[in-house]
Amino acid sequence: DVKVTQSSRYLVKRTGEKVFLECVQDMDHENMFWYRQDPGLGLRLIYFSYDVKMKEKGDIPEGYSVSREKKERFSLILESASTNQTSMYLCASRWNGTPQETQYFGPGTRLLVL
Amino acid sequence: GQNIDQPTEMTATEGAIVQINCTYQTSGFNGLFWYQQHAGEAPTFLSYNVLDGLEEKGRFSSFLSRSKGYSYLLLKELQMKDSASYLCAVRGGSYIPTFGRGTSLIVHP
Repeated sequence: DVKVTQSSRYLVKRTGEKVFLECVQDMDHENMFWYRQDPGLGLRLIYFSYDVKMKEKGDIPEGYSVSREKKERFSLILESASTNQTSMYLCASRWNGTPQETQYFGPGTRLLVL
Repeated sequence: GQNIDQPTEMTATEGAIVQINCTYQTSGFNGLFWYQQHAGEAPTFLSYNVLDGLEEKGRFSSFLSRSKGYSYLLLKELQMKDSASYLCAVRGGSYIPTFGRGTSLIVHP
């Protein structure tokens, strides 16, 4: 079974802090993704990575950066957390094979910025 | 750009059948996914359609009409555990799927 883990289930940070969210997958997937999920807005793509050291902006990259130094790990960084970044953050990975390959999601990190 | 539309909330009775619709407008089309997400949990894969027609998988079926930009997820013999959000996701011109806002399904006794 594919396993995607995220470093924290719940996180509370203060405005202006630098925040690191870690995601690890154990299936040697090339593609990894970071989403945020907000009520009424659904899942929105922040950044994704085709492979190691590669990254692409998604639909809402402002205020975020990412790092993919190793294939299994994809980190999301909030350079200076703001209250509007309070959200559920979901990481996903996918094998870059056939088109019907699904994304596998981690359990999510619920971030509260005070 | 891509536009994906699905109802915000639906309710149904245990044992009944419910159909959750998804309409989309995308530049290019490379498949449509349905995911189930229970409250506080990760989305999990339900189905994938890339050709027109119905794909059946146990109590769940998914239908696609590419010419109409339309899909539905059909849930039969509803159980209380089917109460969840159902997410429609469309792959347009790239391999990156865009998600709809999700449909919250409430199943009551």
